[in-house]
Amino acid sequence: EVQLVETGGGLVQPGRSLKLSCVASGFTFNNYWMSWTRQAPGKGLEWVASITNSGGSTYYPDSVKGRFTISRDNAQNTLYLQMNSLRSEDTATYYCTRDGGAPFDYWGQGVMVTVSS
Amino acid sequence: DIQMTQSPSSMSVSLGDTVTITCRASQDVGIYVNWFQQKPGKSPRRMIYRATNLADGVPSRFSGSRSGSDYSLTISSLESEDVADYHCLQYDEYPYTFGAGTKLELK
Repeated sequence: EVQLVETGGGLVQPGRSLKLSCVASGFTFNNYWMSWTRQAPGKGLEWVASITNSGGSTYYPDSVKGRFTISRDNAQNTLYLQMNSLRSEDTATYYCTRDGGAPFDYWGQGVMVTVSS
Repeated sequence: DIQMTQSPSSMSVSLGDTVTITCRASQDVGIYVNWFQQKPGKSPRRMIYRATNLADGVPSRFSGSRSGSDYSLTISSLESEDVADYHCLQYDEYPYTFGAGTKLELK
């Protein structure tokens, strides 16, 4: 059974940093691209970052480019999202997702990040 | 960026209805559209991939179609468990973009 378990969320002040983790199980992690997607309270979904299976290439929308970094440790079956210079508009539930042929075939349970002073 | 204009934003439905939700892409995205279902407090679930393909375990009353730049999700004979939010996604090019979502509510 595919499982994606995110950790690392919480309350953080504007301008500070936070690192999310996602531990994957139930599939061969290093065969799959992975992504992060977020959802602000009461709002729609927004793609945040993607990484190739080797970790050699990464992709971001302009809204987080230069502030967020996606990475992975294939030996530990773990995906990361380093978030720097956080803003109030980054407040959201962050989901780890697997890209299985077509994107986002499996989702984690999500982790809440609140950016507030 | 490619815009996915999703309609309607909400819909009042009855059990047994046939429901159609549409996303219009601002430019050609080919077959690269997914549909997701999201129930309150839960993670999204992929229902349709590559515009017309039913994801594993999804009931056959769900279907996806394409007409030009319009992509539709249809639910035939709506059941109570189908009442949820639905989101479309284009992944033809970065940045991937979602529609704004459609909320189904029971009459």
